[in-house]
Amino acid sequence: KNQVEQSPQSLIILEGKNCTLQCNYTVSPFSNLRWYKQDTGRGPVSLTIMTFSENTKSNGRYTATLDADTKQSSLHITASQLSDSASYICVVTAGGLYGQNFVFGPGTRLSVLP
Amino acid sequence: KAGVTQTPRYLIKTRGQQVTLSCSPISGHRSVSWYQQTPGQGLQFLFEYFSETQRNKGNFPGRFSGRQFSNSRSEMNVSTLELGDSALYLCASSSFPETPAYGTQYFGPGTRLTVL
Repeated sequence: KNQVEQSPQSLIILEGKNCTLQCNYTVSPFSNLRWYKQDTGRGPVSLTIMTFSENTKSNGRYTATLDADTKQSSLHITASQLSDSASYICVVTAGGLYGQNFVFGPGTRLSVLP
Repeated sequence: KAGVTQTPRYLIKTRGQQVTLSCSPISGHRSVSWYQQTPGQGLQFLFEYFSETQRNKGNFPGRFSGRQFSNSRSEMNVSTLELGDSALYLCASSSFPETPAYGTQYFGPGTRLTVL
């Protein structure tokens, strides 16, 4: 069964610190992996999209890595800010072209404290 | 460029009623997808429309339906509402290359539906 797991479930850090969120997947066939940031009560915002051949992609202070061999991805946030407080969702596309092929992770809830 | 807009933002209904939600995609985007998000199940794909045609559908009962108009605006309808339909309903539009799985999806703010 296609599945995406994320850890930790929630995380609290102090402003200015770095953190890393994990995503493990068992999805086949693999097309791409995305990380989204979702503020409370808002729609998700795309941070990165990585295909099989990409192992690192950055978007400002956000850096995603992908290890297709171990089927793991991480999202590293550098010098965290209060505005980084949100849920971060990992999504893997299981082949195909359309939305029914998206496998969503449960998300990691990040809280950044002053 | 204006983002994806959804109306209404909040809605309260009672069991057995029906509801219609609206989504206007980013100008030029022809693919519109709908998702349901609940604390227990997370994000789940409902269906996707492209050029007024439903291309794909997730595993939801027939009470959930949708349509797309010639200007790419989309509506989704839920009939005979159940308590479990309470959720955040998100709409997303995509333009590259008209296939959501390979391009960036832009989400709207969602419609929060509460069923009493």
